[in-house]
Amino acid sequence: GQNIDQPTEMTATEGAIVQINCTYQTSGFNGLFWYQQHAGEAPTFLSYNVLDGLEEKGRFSSFLSRSKGYSYLLLKELQMKDSASYLCAATDSNYQLIWGAGTKLIIKP
Amino acid sequence: IAGITQAPTSQILAAGRRMTLRCTQDMRHNAMYWYRQDLGLGLRLIHYSNTAGTTGKGEVPDGYSVSRANTDDFPLTLASAVPSQTSVYFCASSDFDSSSYNEQFFGPGTRLTVL
Repeated sequence: GQNIDQPTEMTATEGAIVQINCTYQTSGFNGLFWYQQHAGEAPTFLSYNVLDGLEEKGRFSSFLSRSKGYSYLLLKELQMKDSASYLCAATDSNYQLIWGAGTKLIIKP
Repeated sequence: IAGITQAPTSQILAAGRRMTLRCTQDMRHNAMYWYRQDLGLGLRLIHYSNTAGTTGKGEVPDGYSVSRANTDDFPLTLASAVPSQTSVYFCASSDFDSSSYNEQFFGPGTRLTVL
């Protein structure tokens, strides 16, 4: 079957670093996405990985290991506005996205 | 219009009624999608369309139908609403190409309550 696993909730302190993990199992694999979703709003694109390694984009970085079916999203210098849910999604053999349930990130001052 | 719009923003509906959720995009994306999002379950694909004139079933298609008469519009119809269809519905679109990645852009969502 197809499955995406990520923690339900995480808490971190403003200014700190947090790593959100995601493991996936899909029929075929064509890349992994991370999206951010603030409460009551639509998901918005953060990053995409298709090759192994780290992709850095400002305060956010995303890592992929295809052999381990594993990805993480790294958020540095956390700000209060980073409080949101972070959705991991893997692209299957039909190029459709299989979504995780999301990780709710709570930032404390 | 800029991006994707959905209507209505929210709706309360009596069980058994028919309802159409509207979705329009102006990005000329060939692919469009309908998801429902329920607490603790993440986004689940209802139906999709990779190009105008074609549609496909997603993970949870039962009780829903779609049409794709043109590139811009992708309405979702609930023929006879049931309380289990209470959810937030998101429409999305992408410039789908099987040789490249499939970043999806989302509309603002429709919050539907079926009583």
